[in-house]
Amino acid sequence: EVQLVESGGVAAQPGGSLRLSCAASGFIFDDYTMYWVRQAPGKGLDWVSLISWDGSRTYYADSVKGRFTVSRDNSKASLYLQMNSLRSEDTALYYCVKGGILAWGQGTLVTVSS
Amino acid sequence: NFMLTQPHSVSESPGKTVTISCTGSSGSIASSFVQWYQQRPGSAPTTVIYEDYKRPSGVPDRFSGSIDSSSNSASLTISGLKAEDEADYYCQSSDDTKHWVFGGGTRLTVL
Repeated sequence: EVQLVESGGVAAQPGGSLRLSCAASGFIFDDYTMYWVRQAPGKGLDWVSLISWDGSRTYYADSVKGRFTVSRDNSKASLYLQMNSLRSEDTALYYCVKGGILAWGQGTLVTVSS
Repeated sequence: NFMLTQPHSVSESPGKTVTISCTGSSGSIASSFVQWYQQRPGSAPTTVIYEDYKRPSGVPDRFSGSIDSSSNSASLTISGLKAEDEADYYCQSSDDTKHWVFGGGTRLTVL
């Protein structure tokens, strides 16, 4: 069974940094592109980033480009999202998503507020 | 910018069939796969359709997906509606820069 467990979401101040993690199990992690998707409270889904199976290609939404960095460690079956220069509009539940037959984690909540 | 437009809400009675549309703003919606996600209140999204029409294991065959190139739209059809189908549904595709694009979501109410 595919499992994706996000962690690292906490309250942070504007301008601060956070690192989200996603621990994957139940599939061959390095076979798949991985994604981050977020959802602000009461709002729809918003794509953040993707990383290819080997980490060689990364893509970002315009709203986070230059501030967020996606990475992965295939030896640990883990996905990461380094979030810098946080803004209030980054407040959201952040989901880790497996490519292929897409599977979603339960999300980790990031709150950016002074 | 490529956008996907969905109706804000639809409603139908148990046992009936409902179709949710997802219309692309430009280009051809057939040029990238369309996925559909179900999100029940308080829960994470789950995939009900991927690659236009494929169902993950465990998704009942009451759910089906299709593409209509003539209207540049995708559709999710749910037949034999059940109370448990009440949820938000999102379509998703990719633009020509590989960025994912989501529709705004459709709230399905089973009356």
